[in-house]
Amino acid sequence: AQTVTQSQPEMSVQEAETVTLSCTYDTSENNYYLFWYKQPPSRQMILVIRQEAYKQQNATENRFSVNFQKAAKSFSLKISDSQLGDTAMYFCAFMKQQGGSEKLVFGKGTKLTVNP
Amino acid sequence: DAGITQSPRHKVTETGTPVTLRCHQTENHRYMYWYRQDPGHGLRLIHYSYGVKDTDKGEVSDGYSVSRSKTEDFLLTLESATSSQTSVYFCAISESTPGGGKCEQYFGPGTRLTVT
Repeated sequence: AQTVTQSQPEMSVQEAETVTLSCTYDTSENNYYLFWYKQPPSRQMILVIRQEAYKQQNATENRFSVNFQKAAKSFSLKISDSQLGDTAMYFCAFMKQQGGSEKLVFGKGTKLTVNP
Repeated sequence: DAGITQSPRHKVTETGTPVTLRCHQTENHRYMYWYRQDPGHGLRLIHYSYGVKDTDKGEVSDGYSVSRSKTEDFLLTLESATSSQTSVYFCAISESTPGGGKCEQYFGPGTRLTVT
């Protein structure tokens, strides 16, 4: 079974600075997807970024980028130029790549606070 | 934003009563999921559907049943609610399986259920 670990329950950062959230996972699969979701106080789950395991290039979406280290089974999220609206819970999630619908396996989340 | 609604958004019920939560999508996506979110656990999959009348269990399916009679609707039923089922319930949809490429899951706004 796959497991996802987020070792930082809470983090804080000053507005405009850069912060990195950590995620490690355990799997015997070779092909899979990794995701970061954001959950602001509104409770809505918002997809931030996705990474395919077969791609060596790290995914980026505007101020959000990942550092994907497949051998180390590490998938960290970097937020640049942090904004107050980035305050949220962030969840790392894993999905196997195979035929048939697949579930997301989530970590327990990191609560990020951006301070003015 | 993906067209996903959940009803009701909030519900308080008594132990032993049946409860049905509804997820409705306007995206015509084939795959639908029910998750529950509890403090310290992240999100965990309850049941999922890979087509009309095609459903399967997730990791925390005990005490829950689902039905999908139309592409757009996925119902989650608690046959006899217990206090341990107090949680926030999220519905999610995806267009295809991981092998199909468009496997991102998009979430509804959630339903907060309290069982007293």
